[in-house]
Amino acid sequence: NAGVMQNPRHLVRRRGQEARLRCSPMKGHSHVYWYRQLPEEGLKFMVYLQKENIIDESGMPKERFSAEFPKEGPSILRIQQVVRGDSAAYFCASSPQQAEGYTFGSGTRLTVV
Amino acid sequence: KQEVTQIPAALSVPEGENLVLNCSFTDSAIYNLQWFRQDPGKGLTSLLLIQSSQREQTSGRLNASLDKSSGRSTLYIAASQPGDSATYLCAVRASGGSNYKLTFGKGTLLTVNP
Repeated sequence: NAGVMQNPRHLVRRRGQEARLRCSPMKGHSHVYWYRQLPEEGLKFMVYLQKENIIDESGMPKERFSAEFPKEGPSILRIQQVVRGDSAAYFCASSPQQAEGYTFGSGTRLTVV
Repeated sequence: KQEVTQIPAALSVPEGENLVLNCSFTDSAIYNLQWFRQDPGKGLTSLLLIQSSQREQTSGRLNASLDKSSGRSTLYIAASQPGDSATYLCAVRASGGSNYKLTFGKGTLLTVNP
């Protein structure tokens, strides 16, 4: 039973490009959460999704960031027109029920040059 | 707004020493509190989870306590080993409708020297 799979592990983008981060939850988990860890900062909640629904996106920057969790396939965190300040580690977690049994992935480290 | 603080930010100890990591939170209305370990470039590994009704949890050489009324938790590591070197994160889960959110502290970077 594979854990939460995130890819790519490392992603380098030039300013102005788009970044797409993927997260495949654990088998049987239909709740997905994205967190961001900026340098020297704690992890911050970004968004909570269930299949085909965004439940809470209160932690997402208002512009350039979007997330989806389609009926089929992984959850995607999309960052348009990246800037240097987007450089961070992005972690995905999944759970079988809301607020229970959180399992984190290994993260995607985004570097904007 | 919940805030989580971890002290110290960094700690260096010789192998074999017992140590305590501290975590404090501002809002005592929590669902549970969780301690994680983060290795460089890696994900988060859950170490111990304490429900709001519990006072402590133990796993091997680790013991975590929770004093909800004072907004404090401690992680006790006995007989530390070099393999314990990592960043330790404390996270609280709010009670109520937003109980899916974790609020993290910035972590304590632990180095255990052989």
